[in-house]
Amino acid sequence: GAVVSQHPSRVICKSGTSVKIECRSLDFQATTMFWYRQFPKQSLMLMATSNEGSKATYEQGVEKDKFLINHASLTLSTLTVTSAHPEDSSFYICSARALPSRLAGTDTQYFGPGTRLTVL
Amino acid sequence: GENVEQHPSTLSVQEGDSAVIKCTYSDSASNYFPWYKQELGKRPQLIIDIRSNVGEKKDQRIAVTLNKTAKHFSLHITETQPEDSAVYFCAATPPNEKLTFGTGTRLTIIP
Repeated sequence: GAVVSQHPSRVICKSGTSVKIECRSLDFQATTMFWYRQFPKQSLMLMATSNEGSKATYEQGVEKDKFLINHASLTLSTLTVTSAHPEDSSFYICSARALPSRLAGTDTQYFGPGTRLTVL
Repeated sequence: GENVEQHPSTLSVQEGDSAVIKCTYSDSASNYFPWYKQELGKRPQLIIDIRSNVGEKKDQRIAVTLNKTAKHFSLHITETQPEDSAVYFCAATPPNEKLTFGTGTRLTIIP
């Protein structure tokens, strides 16, 4: 159990275009989903926290108008990188935090496989 | 907010020996401490976690210890194998808040 999928796994786009990344919890309901970006040989940097049905909370320094997050249901969150530029090239990873269960506490997070974005 | 420090940044261990990675945290309210293993280009995978009401947890070759007084926790891998080579991240969080990750440890198992 506790599978998180992410689509697409890789995307190459031209500068100025927008890219949408989907994150789905496949076999559990997620109260909260998180979006991270990771540069080579670095740790995960949290971009934003999204709760189903409410606006995302962005970390300091992350432009909310550039990185649009929608969390329409308990199993789906999307990140749209608008007007992408080469400096947005990175590995984007989502994670989902499950509703309380007997198997895991409320803090357990499961990660998606990541999306490698390359902006030309 | 929470601040997590992780050491060492790189660690090379002879196959069969043990590996220890240490983390410290700053927020005494933190009560959940997961460890993730990330292979190159892959997702972080939860390998073990511990909550603040427990001092030690073991799962086969992997164990985690927690010292709440000193605010540090450690990952212990025994009888290391080549497939243990990866980057390991510790993390800490107070209840219902975001995870704060350490900077990662690149573990290399030497055959």
